[in-house]
Amino acid sequence: DVKVTQSSRYLVKRTGEKVFLECVQDMDHENMFWYRQDPGLGLRLIYFSYDVKMKEKGDIPEGYSVSREKKERFSLILESASTNQTSMYLCASSFSEGTYIQYFGAGTRLSVL
Amino acid sequence: AQSVAQPEDQVNVAEGNPLTVKCTYSVSGNPYLFWYVQYPNRGLQFLLKYITGDNLVKGSYGFEAEFNKSQTSFHLKKPSALVSDSALYFCAVRPYRAGNMLTFGGGTRLMVKP
Repeated sequence: DVKVTQSSRYLVKRTGEKVFLECVQDMDHENMFWYRQDPGLGLRLIYFSYDVKMKEKGDIPEGYSVSREKKERFSLILESASTNQTSMYLCASSFSEGTYIQYFGAGTRLSVL
Repeated sequence: AQSVAQPEDQVNVAEGNPLTVKCTYSVSGNPYLFWYVQYPNRGLQFLLKYITGDNLVKGSYGFEAEFNKSQTSFHLKKPSALVSDSALYFCAVRPYRAGNMLTFGGGTRLMVKP
């Protein structure tokens, strides 16, 4: 079974803090993704990585950065957390060829106070 | 640019009745289409996909979906709903030969009442 693990299920941070969300996959997938999920807005892509050290901006990259130093690990960084970044964050991974099915982690619910 | 519409925020159905969750899409070229389900406090789980071939696709947990090219729709169906089917359902599309990213709809909450 594909496993995508997000390091935290719940996080509470203060405005202005630097926040790291970690994601690890065990299927040797080339692609990894960070999404933000808000009620009524569905999933919005923040960043996408197709290889180690490679990244592309998604639909809403402002206020976020990412790091992919190893194939299995993809980190989302909030340089200076703000209250409007309170949300559910979902990590996903997929192969670069074939069916393009994305496999998701359980999510991290982040509250910025 | 591609887009996905799920016109119903919520669908209510009685247990044992058939259910339909609607999805329409707008893409150039032939699409890859997906349905995912999200149970409370969980990530998304893949249910089924359409890439090519038979327009009726069968997936996990007894769900199926019908690809209709002329209506640009990919509705999710199940002949007999279970209370345990209550969850949030997302439709997603990847335009043919358009890279690795998916575009997701806004989600539809399915409520199955006993």
